[in-house]
Amino acid sequence: DVKVTQSSRYLVKRTGEKVFLECVQDMDHENMFWYRQDPGLGLRLIYFSYDVKMKEKGDIPEGYSVSREKKERFSLILESASTNQTSMYLCASSTLGAMNTEAFFGQGTRLTVV
Amino acid sequence: AQKITQTQPGMFVQEKEAVTLDCTYDTSDPSYGLFWYKQPSSGEMIFLIYQGSYDQQNATEGRYSLNFQKARKSANLVISASQLGDSAMYFCAMREGGSSASKIIFGSGTRLSIRP
Repeated sequence: DVKVTQSSRYLVKRTGEKVFLECVQDMDHENMFWYRQDPGLGLRLIYFSYDVKMKEKGDIPEGYSVSREKKERFSLILESASTNQTSMYLCASSTLGAMNTEAFFGQGTRLTVV
Repeated sequence: AQKITQTQPGMFVQEKEAVTLDCTYDTSDPSYGLFWYKQPSSGEMIFLIYQGSYDQQNATEGRYSLNFQKARKSANLVISASQLGDSAMYFCAMREGGSSASKIIFGSGTRLSIRP
């Protein structure tokens, strides 16, 4: 059974803290993605990675960075958390194959920055 | 730049009726793929159906079908004989570039509520 696991379901952090959101997949997928989900805005792509140490900016990369040192793990980093980064964060992965390969999602991390 | 538009923030439908969720997209790439996902209140993202830009026929998966109108750049999801369990958020998504290494972008979603 395919699995994408996010390290925390709920997180509360203080403004200015450095925050790490971790995502691990066990499907040997090449592609990994980080999205944030906000009401009325849907899922917006922050960063994605198509290989180890490779990353590309999505639509809203400002205030975020990522790290992919191993194929199975993709980390999202908030260098200095701000209240406007309070959101649901979703990690996803997909294989490098045909165009019809869907993305598999983790359960999400609800981050609150106070 | 690629873009997905879902113009229906919310919909109410009577149980057993068919429902159409709208999705329009914008891309200059001739090779792209379109996806629909369902997100129940539990939060999980469930893949429903896929349509490729070169597919000659509309995709179908059980009660789900995709009304693909390439010239209009629309990819509407049709759910036949709706059930109470269909109540959820629905997202349209697109991958472009002819490569599965490319990014997947999503629309703002439609919240579907099924009335008994």
